[in-house]
Amino acid sequence: ETGVTQTPRHLVMGMTNKKSLKCEQHLGHNAMYWYKQSAKKPLELMFVYSLEERVENNSVPSRFSPECPNSSHLFLHLHTLQPEDSALYLCASSQIGRAGLNTEAFFGQGTRLTVV
Amino acid sequence: GENVEQHPSTLSVQEGDSAVIKCTYSDSASNYFPWYKQELGKGPQLIIDIRSNVGEKKDQRIAVTLNKTAKHFSLHITETQPEDSAVYFCAASIKSRNTPLVFGKGTRLSVIA
Repeated sequence: ETGVTQTPRHLVMGMTNKKSLKCEQHLGHNAMYWYKQSAKKPLELMFVYSLEERVENNSVPSRFSPECPNSSHLFLHLHTLQPEDSALYLCASSQIGRAGLNTEAFFGQGTRLTVV
Repeated sequence: GENVEQHPSTLSVQEGDSAVIKCTYSDSASNYFPWYKQELGKGPQLIIDIRSNVGEKKDQRIAVTLNKTAKHFSLHITETQPEDSAVYFCAASIKSRNTPLVFGKGTRLSVIA
């Protein structure tokens, strides 16, 4: 148990579906992240919500849409996905200090997404 | 931006032997270097980290060394056990409040009994 909870653990969706991934952190952190983990690739940062600002990787397609209603909850809204979007989606949180020093990131167990 | 290279991509060792995984980083402003272990079906979990004001840190069978001049850091696992088999990721953090960890591509370690 890392203090970061992701739901669902597994998701199968069609290309025309709309679904959302949920992440909740119980650690009091001020930054949350979405990562994509594909086979034989490094962890790819998709979005960051840090100190109420959003930073995104410009290579992420618009069919992925994040939402962070508060510092404890993070969503990833999915629509019209492609089969190549099938991957493990990991949520993480960390505490970013005012001095600019990141602390360690705590990861959830991930959502295994399969697009059919 | 920061770039982290990790080698090797796969590593097999006999139980009881040592394993070494190496990473290099590009941005000299990076000051925090964690290592994560990811077991099958789980998210990555922090196993050890080091900050730029020290050169080595140990925690039982695991140690990390940092060479700031050469911009590389390494993970050392001694007396390996089958349960050490996993994917290991190194990461580096730049001294900026809006810059998250940059990860290496990972090393799949297999400990053969």
